[in-house]
Amino acid sequence: DSGVTQTPKHLITATGQRVTLRCSPRSGDLSVYWYQQSLDQGLQFLIQYYNGEERAKGNILERFSAQQFPDLHSELNLSSLELGDSALYFCASSVGARGEEQYFGPGTRLTVT
Amino acid sequence: AQSVTQLDSQVPVFEEAPVELRCNYSSSVSVYLFWYVQYPNQGLQLLLKYLSGSTLVKGINGFEAEFNKSQTSFHLRKPSVHISDTAEYFCAVSDGTSGGSYIPTFGRGTSLIVHP
Repeated sequence: DSGVTQTPKHLITATGQRVTLRCSPRSGDLSVYWYQQSLDQGLQFLIQYYNGEERAKGNILERFSAQQFPDLHSELNLSSLELGDSALYFCASSVGARGEEQYFGPGTRLTVT
Repeated sequence: AQSVTQLDSQVPVFEEAPVELRCNYSSSVSVYLFWYVQYPNQGLQLLLKYLSGSTLVKGINGFEAEFNKSQTSFHLRKPSVHISDTAEYFCAVSDGTSGGSYIPTFGRGTSLIVHP
C-alpha cells in the first residue's frame, strides 16, 4: 500500500459525458501527478501540481483539467468523453516538487461506451 | 526530446535463474533514469533510480541497474528471480527540464514471466 488513494476504482460512462477522478496523496506529500495508461499510448504524464499550483504539464488534452485543493487532494476532470479516453488513470504523489521518488495510487479504470 | 526503448516486450524465465531487462534511452541533455514495477491490478512502484554518482544502482527486492552513458542504456538485472517477481517493468527517463521536476517519459514496458 503506497498511501495514495484514488476513487472511484472503476467508472463506466457514455461518450460526451463528464467525470471527476479523485486522488488523496500520502500524508505529508505536497506534489500530485496524474498519468494516463492505455494500450495505444502506454503510460503518459498529464499534469503535476505542487502545493496547489500547477508545476508541469504534459500531454493533457484541453477537454481535461485538474486542480489541487488546500487539503492537497486533487481532482482530474474529464469532459466531452470519447471512446479513446478509456484508460487507467493513475495519481502519484511526492514530498517535494522535483518528484524523483513518486508513490503511485492503485488507479481508476475509466471505460467510455 | 527524450525517449525510452524497452527492447523486449516479454521475458520468460525460470525461477532462480538470472534475468536482465533491457532499456535504452535517448536524450539531448543530462538524464535521470528510473525503473518501476507494476504488479497485476496495482499502481507502479519505484524499484530504483539513477540521478547522479555511482553508475551501479541497487534497488528494492534484489534488483540492480547500471547506467552506461556511452551505450545510452540502463539495463535492469536480478541474479535469481522468484515467482513473485512476475510483473510488468517500466524503464523511464527524465531530463529534469519540466519546470525542474523529474517528470518521467516511460517505455512501453517489459512483462517478466517467471515459471516454476
